[in-house]
Formats: sequence, structure tokens, C-alpha cells
Amino acid sequence: GAVVSQHPSRVICKSGTSVKIECRSLDFQATTMFWYRQFPKQSLMLMATSNEGSKATYEQGVEKDKFLINHASLTLSTLTVTSAHPEDSSFYICSARDPIPGQDKEKLFFGSGTQLSVL
Amino acid sequence: GQQLNQSPQSMFIQEGEDVSMNCTSSSIFNTWLWYKQDPGEGPVLLIALYKAGELTSNGRLTAQFGITRKDSFLNISASIPSDVGIYFCAGTFQTGANNLFFGTGTRLTVIP
Repeated sequence: GAVVSQHPSRVICKSGTSVKIECRSLDFQATTMFWYRQFPKQSLMLMATSNEGSKATYEQGVEKDKFLINHASLTLSTLTVTSAHPEDSSFYICSARDPIPGQDKEKLFFGSGTQLSVL
Repeated sequence: GQQLNQSPQSMFIQEGEDVSMNCTSSSIFNTWLWYKQDPGEGPVLLIALYKAGELTSNGRLTAQFGITRKDSFLNISASIPSDVGIYFCAGTFQTGANNLFFGTGTRLTVIP
């Protein structure tokens, strides 16, 4: 399957600092990428949809000024957690849609996730 | 957003046993996907289903898209220790939809 690379895998930062997480599609172009958040022992919750060349679409309750998303190229989306606080500590996962050419089908592949710990 | 009901929440089985888990929704879905997640990792796609009644296998894994389009199941035959992890179902209302709704997960433990 397609490969989605996410970096870093783990980050520890002080409260008030900003953290950038990168998501890359390695062997396909992704006009759309998705950012999820997962709390311990819970399911994945969609935070926002990242669209190449345009503004991201945020889910209800997600602060766009808090979680800045940039999708500058067809293979890279970044999520920046600004002025991080302990309650932002979580597992953040990106994904990208890989359409199957000529078919009305597609698959969604995930990065390996980033564990953010804010002290 | 909508959440899919996945059961069971957790399973403890002996190595070699078969496993079955399912996912139900109150809404009709167009696509069902099954993922496995290991601790500290992102979900890995196991099987994708695109039409009602579709039965698809991937090695020891078999998944079916329910006829009503409101459910799906995943079977694992002859379980092995590396099957340990959390299994999530996920679905979309339509191809290309932004929202991939996730089930609550089934935590599988395989006892050697």
C-alpha cells in the first residue's frame, strides 16, 4: 500500500511553545490529507482536512488558530500546535487519501503518529 | 460526529483460535475499512470493502460488507501472537467524503 511518513514520532515540549508535525505522502500525490487526534484507549477523532493550495477545513470544536495547518505541496502537510498546553498532549495522526485510478474507489493510509507531551 | 458501534470491546483468546468482531451503524455506509493499530503507531489498513455483500480476504483475515450497508465484520482465523493490537472499523458515507468515521475499537489479546 501507499506510504505516509509522519515526523517526529515523539516530542516533548514546554508549555507555551509551538510544535510542528510533518506528514508526507512518499509514493503518491495527496491533494487531501487529514489530521486526527487520539486520546489513550480511545478512537480516532478527525480534527481537520488539509487541502493542497487552499485553507484547511476544521471540524466543529477544533480551534483553527490553535492548530495551524499548511498544505503547501501535493506531498506535504504540516500541523503546528501553537502555544501548546498540557491539555494538548495527545497522539496526533495524519492520513492521506490514495485514489485508485479509473475506479470509484480509494483507500486512506495513515502515518505512524506523533506523541505530543506538553510539560 | 457519528461513531460506529464496534464489538466486542476486548477479547482474550488462545493462540490458534478464530476471532470475529463486528461493526454496526445506524446509517448506510458506502465504504468500510478495517485497520489494525499497534501501541504508539498509526493504524494500518487491513481490508477495504466497497459494495454491499462484498467478501474480501487478506491472508488469515476475512471481512464482509453487510447487505444492509449498516454493518461489517472482520474474522481472523488461526490467531497468532502478532495479531495482538487494536482493530478499528471505519466507514464513509460516500467516496471522496472527508469524514471517515471510526469505530470504538476492539482490543485483541492472544495468549500463547
